[in-house]
Amino acid sequence: GDSVTQMEGPVTLSEEACLTINCTYTATGYPSLFWYVQYPGEGLQLLLKATKADDKGSNKGFEATYRKETTSFHLEKGSVQVSDSAVYFCALSVVIKAAGNKLTFGGGTRVLVKP
Amino acid sequence: KAGVTQTPRYLIKTRGQQVTLSCSPISGHRSVSWYQQTPGQGLQFLFEYFSETQRNKGNFPGRFSGRQFSNSRSEMNVSTLELGDSALYLCASSLRQGVGYTFGSGTRLTVV
Repeated sequence: GDSVTQMEGPVTLSEEACLTINCTYTATGYPSLFWYVQYPGEGLQLLLKATKADDKGSNKGFEATYRKETTSFHLEKGSVQVSDSAVYFCALSVVIKAAGNKLTFGGGTRVLVKP
Repeated sequence: KAGVTQTPRYLIKTRGQQVTLSCSPISGHRSVSWYQQTPGQGLQFLFEYFSETQRNKGNFPGRFSGRQFSNSRSEMNVSTLELGDSALYLCASSLRQGVGYTFGSGTRLTVV
């Protein structure tokens, strides 16, 4: 079956430090890849996505590149802010016609940015 | 444009009771999915509905059920509640397959 593995946290950083969260996947078909972010007490927000190999998703200074050869989708940000403190989830979705699709999530990585 | 709306935000129920959670998707979105989030199991897929039909189902017991109405609003029901059903239940809607889902803020269910 499909699965997503991401680095465990918590990851603690100082403001303006670089952030990398590793994510690798296994999928039965050709997946679309996503990063979601969850702030305390809230649902999930789509941060960025990529739908085919070598696509780069980017948003709010975060970037991730769909690497089919290494089955990876690592999340990076060059300079984090306190407001980036949250839990980040890597996810994949494989579309199966008539059978719908679902998101398969990694376990989440908690990031804490200190001033 | 209104987002995905889930009601209620918080619920406290007693073991053995049943509960119904509601989700209103973004206008025009016909696909609605439900997920359970717990500290131990993380985010797990419950089911997906499209045009009132269940298209996909996760590995949950039959106590968990759902439905979708003609206006795309969805409900999920959990019968004979167990302590382990305490979780954040998230609903998500999508315009079409593969483009990602927009999530609601969730319903926090506590079973005592």
